[in-house]
Amino acid sequence: EPEVTQTPSHQVTQMGQEVILRCVPISNHLYFYWYRQILGQKVEFLVSFYNNEISEKSEIFDDQFSVERPDGSNFTLKIRSTKLEDSAMYFCASSLGVLNEQFFGPGTRLTVL
Amino acid sequence: EDQVTQSPEALRLQEGESSSLNCSYTVSGLRGLFWYRQDPGKGPEFLFTLYSAGEEKEKERLKATLTKKESFLHITAPKPEDSATYLCAVQASGYALNFGKGTSLLVTP
Repeated sequence: EPEVTQTPSHQVTQMGQEVILRCVPISNHLYFYWYRQILGQKVEFLVSFYNNEISEKSEIFDDQFSVERPDGSNFTLKIRSTKLEDSAMYFCASSLGVLNEQFFGPGTRLTVL
Repeated sequence: EDQVTQSPEALRLQEGESSSLNCSYTVSGLRGLFWYRQDPGKGPEFLFTLYSAGEEKEKERLKATLTKKESFLHITAPKPEDSATYLCAVQASGYALNFGKGTSLLVTP
């Protein structure tokens, strides 16, 4: 069964460093998303991406964040200068259409020291 | 502002003891309501989508229903492997899913 994959599973970085989180969405899906979940809190939407551009973003997704689809299979989230409060699980998701269910990857645990 | 509230926060059941989880929502223009299961340290696993009031979906021991203000996830004769956090999410006018805080379910043998 097709699934969303994410790498790495765990990333540890120093405050102020740049990190890139990688995702391979389900191959025939057209919509891609990033969410995050701070420990003990709810899952929060960051950004959606369709047709090679951002279709929606939340207030959390400020200038420190960017997304890219560098090729036909990968979807990345870059955090330019990490802060302690960026420590969270980051989930990538994809869907076939905008009203279809979103399928989530296993997540990348980001720890900022 | 769109709001999603799940209750109870935590629920402990004996194996075989049926119960229901609640998700109440206030959104302007519901496009879809989604139920997910999340195991510790894992990503949300899709269970159901409901689009309109009166709709019901079933899968094994789980049944989801939807009204104009809330959704219920009914668990019939649960087993220990049903232990997880169950998340409700709503989609309004855009692309984003707005999640509730979840109900943590523990089923004991």
